[in-house]
Amino acid sequence: QQPVQSPQAVILREGEDAVINCSSSKALYSVHWYRQKHGEAPVFLMILLKGGEQKGHEKISASFNEKKQQSSLYLTASQLSYSGTYFCGTDSTSGGSYIPTFGRGTSLIVHP
Amino acid sequence: NAGVTQTPKFQVLKTGQSMTLQCAQDMNHNSMYWYRQDPGMGLRLIYYSASEGTTDKGEVPNGYNVSRLNKREFSLRLESAAPSQTSVYFCASKGLAGYEQYFGPGTRLTVT
Repeated sequence: QQPVQSPQAVILREGEDAVINCSSSKALYSVHWYRQKHGEAPVFLMILLKGGEQKGHEKISASFNEKKQQSSLYLTASQLSYSGTYFCGTDSTSGGSYIPTFGRGTSLIVHP
Repeated sequence: NAGVTQTPKFQVLKTGQSMTLQCAQDMNHNSMYWYRQDPGMGLRLIYYSASEGTTDKGEVPNGYNVSRLNKREFSLRLESAAPSQTSVYFCASKGLAGYEQYFGPGTRLTVT
């Protein structure tokens, strides 16, 4: 089952902040975030692991609440280059493999 | 180091025709994935291969078959294309010890 992202879309002016949320009905081992610019492939931003470990982008922060099965991505002082669609992904396990499932995405538009 | 490559970039098929989408990675990754991306639906997993010699169904496997030809290559075949398979197809790979999926540039497929 796909994780649920909110909001579906965000429109900002340069320098403003945004929060994108991701929630799952399943217990989470990890949450990963990707950004996709129009016409391009998704690019990895970060992963948050159970227990608090976090790996990824230096200028973007995120939180992971294991009990609530939720994650939030914080985009502070937005730049024009932050525009794109953000996807959260979660992993379920099957036979020792981690199977990724992505949310439907949040479109972020940053205006000058 | 080309990363993940996909061919073709664009394809138009008539209903009932067959084709194979090719994917190759040069990062010595164990896991490879095929996704389809439709507007508003995010990335949905079609098939994945956790390691050379294994393949498993993802969320939306109907109408597709895959082959993990070797560690580098993972192909996706449409035996009898249908208009519902009009989509953008992304291949991705991930290393055994890594967290990040690396995506190819995508194939835009239209079935008329």
